Amino acid sequence: EPEVTQTPSHQVTQMGQEVILRCVPISNHLYFYWYRQILGQKVEFLVSFYNNEISEKSEIFDDQFSVERPDGSNFTLKIRSTKLEDSAMYFCARGALGADTQYFGPGTRLTVL
Amino acid sequence: TQLLEQSPQFLSIQEGENLTVYCNSSSVFSSLQWYRQEPGEGPVLLVTVVTGGEVKKLKRLTFQFGDARKDSSLHITAAQPGDTGLYLCAGVRLDNFNKFYFGSGTKLNVKP
Repeated sequence: EPEVTQTPSHQVTQMGQEVILRCVPISNHLYFYWYRQILGQKVEFLVSFYNNEISEKSEIFDDQFSVERPDGSNFTLKIRSTKLEDSAMYFCARGALGADTQYFGPGTRLTVL
Repeated sequence: TQLLEQSPQFLSIQEGENLTVYCNSSSVFSSLQWYRQEPGEGPVLLVTVVTGGEVKKLKRLTFQFGDARKDSSLHITAAQPGDTGLYLCAGVRLDNFNKFYFGSGTKLNVKP
């Protein structure tokens, strides 16, 4: 059984459009992370989220990105104005207590045309 | 510059052979994790090592964390075609528990 689920599994959007990717944890956890993986490349850290606040973000996570936990359970990643180079797999992960382990969701494949 | 260097990048071997994948860094890590990823899917956690010198075994897979906590290795004994996949190491540094660093991965192909 997956630790987290992600929706949608695949999102196709036009350049300049906003997208919202969702992560739904199976149980209540405090640590969350977003990563992206461009096809054939390494997994890149975007942002970590602890106790409903951003705790760390990478240089990739610029003003076009934002994260929220609007209803206390779903965890969203918003890209305000998508670019072609945003096409990638986006993975949500939840952290275990102590935060030295992560469990990944199945990912959302984002295609920007 | 990669914080975690994985080698080799690609490995193609015959079923039954043994192999070792390395994950090296100049930084000290609180813990290192190994994941396996299939195409189009999320990384699946195999193991977490937290103590310098620690050795963990998972069936035919043996994981080791270096004494200085700067490196780790994954050894597979008698590889099978089902072991084919992308193996990733990732770590949490001592000075920042909020960020996981990933290696670039080792793509393993085990031929029957």
